[in-house]
Amino acid sequence: DTAVSQTPKYLVTQMGNDKSIKCEQNLGHDTMYWYKQDSKKFLKIMFSYNNKELIINETVPNRFSPKSPDKAHLNLHINSLELGDSAVYFCASSQDLRGNYGYTFGSGTRLTVV
Amino acid sequence: EDQVTQSPEALRLQEGESSSLNCSYTVSGLRGLFWYRQDPGKGPEFLFTLYSAGEEKEKERLKATLTKKESFLHITAPKPEDSATYLCAVQARTRATNKLIFGTGTLLAVQP
Repeated sequence: DTAVSQTPKYLVTQMGNDKSIKCEQNLGHDTMYWYKQDSKKFLKIMFSYNNKELIINETVPNRFSPKSPDKAHLNLHINSLELGDSAVYFCASSQDLRGNYGYTFGSGTRLTVV
Repeated sequence: EDQVTQSPEALRLQEGESSSLNCSYTVSGLRGLFWYRQDPGKGPEFLFTLYSAGEEKEKERLKATLTKKESFLHITAPKPEDSATYLCAVQARTRATNKLIFGTGTLLAVQP
């Protein structure tokens, strides 16, 4: 299946831990994103990468570090997790920087920090 | 500051009862306005992109329209399978042209 896949789907962890979320797209898209959706369903961009190059870093705490080993993968590593990091994190991709043909989103990773 | 406001927050319709969802936006030069559908536990699914005032796009029972200040998503004779959260997003004419600014969505429930 062609898609954006992210793992894990659920992640429950204690405060202070470090965790990673992985994302892969097999759509041949050049641009990938991380979005955060809070409890009120508000989606906000965190990062975008185009061909492995960081394009947007939306004033996210530096505990969050994205890494793009190639244009099909964009991983998110989070250090020293805090309660406020609990949210659903979505990976997405678009054909190019302009996103004319829409974005394809993954199914999300629900992160719960306890 | 670029902003998107959607109304109503929630809408309950009977099957076959047509209605419209509203998306008002303030953006420093609109590059595109996007509509997405999100089902529970899933990621948003792309529906439409609109680029200029007066533009309209249709897909099955859904029709999206755009003016200089707002967009409407018209749902004609909805069915229960149309139940979902509908998200509106704008893309501004800035250097970061791939940044989408989302509204908080309208939760639509269509009852049989």
